[in-house]
Amino acid sequence: GAVVSQHPSWVICKSGTSVKIECRSLDFQATTMFWYRQFPKQSLMLMATSNEGSKATYEQGVEKDKFLINHASLTLSTLTVTSAHPEDSSFYICSGAGGASYEQYFGPGTRLTVT
Amino acid sequence: AQSVTQLGSHVSVSEGALVLLRCNYSSSVPPYLFWYVQYPNQGLQLLLKYTTGATLVKGINGFEAEFKKSETSFHLTKPSAHMSDAAEYFCAVSDGDFGNEKLTFGTGTRLTIIP
Repeated sequence: GAVVSQHPSWVICKSGTSVKIECRSLDFQATTMFWYRQFPKQSLMLMATSNEGSKATYEQGVEKDKFLINHASLTLSTLTVTSAHPEDSSFYICSGAGGASYEQYFGPGTRLTVT
Repeated sequence: AQSVTQLGSHVSVSEGALVLLRCNYSSSVPPYLFWYVQYPNQGLQLLLKYTTGATLVKGINGFEAEFKKSETSFHLTKPSAHMSDAAEYFCAVSDGDFGNEKLTFGTGTRLTIIP
């Protein structure tokens, strides 16, 4: 199956700083990428959907100025958490979808801890 | 609007016993249905999916699920549980025709295998 990677897998940052998470589709072109957030022992919550070359579409309640998403190419999307706070600590998962395969391919996730 | 209900946030079965994880969905259009498995601190792995055609779908690791339109259900089963099946399982629904539509996830079921 198609492979999606995320970098870093784990990051610790200080409150008030920004952190960037990369999501790459390694062997397919992801025309659409999705960013999810998962709190401990909870389900995935969709944060935003991005199409290559377009502005991301954010879900209701997600601050677009805080969670900056860029989908610059068919194989790379980035999520930047700006001015991070401890409540932003979470597990962030991206997925990529391309073509009519009815399937999203998920990355391994990035655990963000804000101290 | 779509929704997914997973009955039972925790399910425990003995090794070798039948695994049954329940999923009911709500969708205004013919749904595409998915089961994902998540191991600790990892992303999601697709177990199986239903799009069209045969309603009994076989997936990886011996799992299968049956789409029952009349019951709006897509329950996941495995005849004989293995210790390695212990994980979190998510049911998801999509209404997309092109594979790029967003997924709506259930709240997840944590499966514990008793030796």
